[in-house]
Amino acid sequence: SQQGEEDPQALSIQEGENATMNCSYKTSINNLQWYRQNSGRGLVHLILIRSNEREKHSGRLRVTLDTSKKSSSLLITASRAADTASYFCATDTGNQFYFGTGTSLTVIP
Amino acid sequence: EAGVTQFPSHSVIEKGQTVTLRCDPISGHDNLYWYRRVMGKEIKFLLHFVKESKQDESGMPNNRFLAERTGGTYSTLKVQPAELEDSGVYFCASTLQGTDTQYFGPGTRLTVL
Repeated sequence: SQQGEEDPQALSIQEGENATMNCSYKTSINNLQWYRQNSGRGLVHLILIRSNEREKHSGRLRVTLDTSKKSSSLLITASRAADTASYFCATDTGNQFYFGTGTSLTVIP
Repeated sequence: EAGVTQFPSHSVIEKGQTVTLRCDPISGHDNLYWYRRVMGKEIKFLLHFVKESKQDESGMPNNRFLAERTGGTYSTLKVQPAELEDSGVYFCASTLQGTDTQYFGPGTRLTVL
């Protein structure tokens, strides 16, 4: 069964708008990480939030974590065309690392 | 500093053939992971090396897959014989011992015809 699921599967917005992606998971975690994958390239680490943290910021990225609901959200503010990519959440249970299916984000210039 | 590299970037083989994928982790990273993403599905964990030892290989789908990491540096993942359902993108990642962030390679896209 999938440990992580992203929602929505695809998202298309205008440049300058904010993009929000959600991730739900099933078991207890040590931390949750968000990755980006540009077409044809490897996964790039964006941000890590630990299980005892509720919110974290990095530049235009804001991540929240609700361990009671087993969910996380990634907010990208003031989106740019270069943000077009697939975004994955990954949960670290301490024993294994699970990815979701990803959200495909398209930012229209 | 060089990142994680993988070779080849693409491989197209016929069912029944053998393919070997290679991953070179970041220098000094003891932990090395293999993952696979089948088209449209989630990225799944395959196995985890700590240096040359297999720490966790619970994600390996079957005995047609063999991973090695002789000397604790680069790793190879051999698929023999390849089946159609083995098609996908194989990612490798490495981490420094004691840290959480995994650094991923660009992946190898495997197509089995």
